[in-house]
Amino acid sequence: SQKIEQNSEALNIQEGKTATLTCNYTNYSPAYLQWYRQDPGRGPVFLLLIRENEKEKRKERLKVTFDTTLKQSLFHITASQPADSATYLCALEGGGSSASKIIFGSGTRLSIRP
Amino acid sequence: NAGVTQTPKFQVLKTGQSMTLQCAQDMNHEYMSWYRQDPGMGLRLIHYSVGAGITDQGEVPNGYNVSRSTTEDFPLRLLSAAPSQTSVYFCASSPGTASEKLFFGSGTQLSVL
Repeated sequence: SQKIEQNSEALNIQEGKTATLTCNYTNYSPAYLQWYRQDPGRGPVFLLLIRENEKEKRKERLKVTFDTTLKQSLFHITASQPADSATYLCALEGGGSSASKIIFGSGTRLSIRP
Repeated sequence: NAGVTQTPKFQVLKTGQSMTLQCAQDMNHEYMSWYRQDPGMGLRLIHYSVGAGITDQGEVPNGYNVSRSTTEDFPLRLLSAAPSQTSVYFCASSPGTASEKLFFGSGTQLSVL
């Protein structure tokens, strides 16, 4: 069956360290993968999109990698800050006849302690 | 720009009642979609639309109907509410195809008693 899995129910990181979140998928062949941030009581907010022919993408303190062989994306936040505390969601397109379906993982709750 | 607007923000229904969750966007986006979010389960796709007059089912379509008569509006109808439909509902839109980033509304919290 098709599945998207994100690591851990929650990740606790010391301020200033690098947070690394994982998104693994099975039985999908996505042309791209997206990462979103969600704060409590709010809708998700888009952060980054990486395409299958891109190995890595950066935006300020954020870095995303995409390994289509391992079927995995890693999301890194360097020099983490308490304001980075949120739930982070990965999403991918269903592929094939499901190319217009954007499917989300269950998210990883990240807490950055001062 | 208002972006994606969802109404109402909160709603309580009794089992068997029907209602419509409203979603409107003012960005002239072709793609719109509805998700539900339950604790620990992430966002699950209910229905989506790639343009006016075109709708399709997502992962969990049962119990929900949609229509897309205009580019701006994408209402979600619950025909006969059930307690299992208690959830937070999010509407999202995207400029062209689904391969572009999604813009989300602020959500509707629905409780079915």
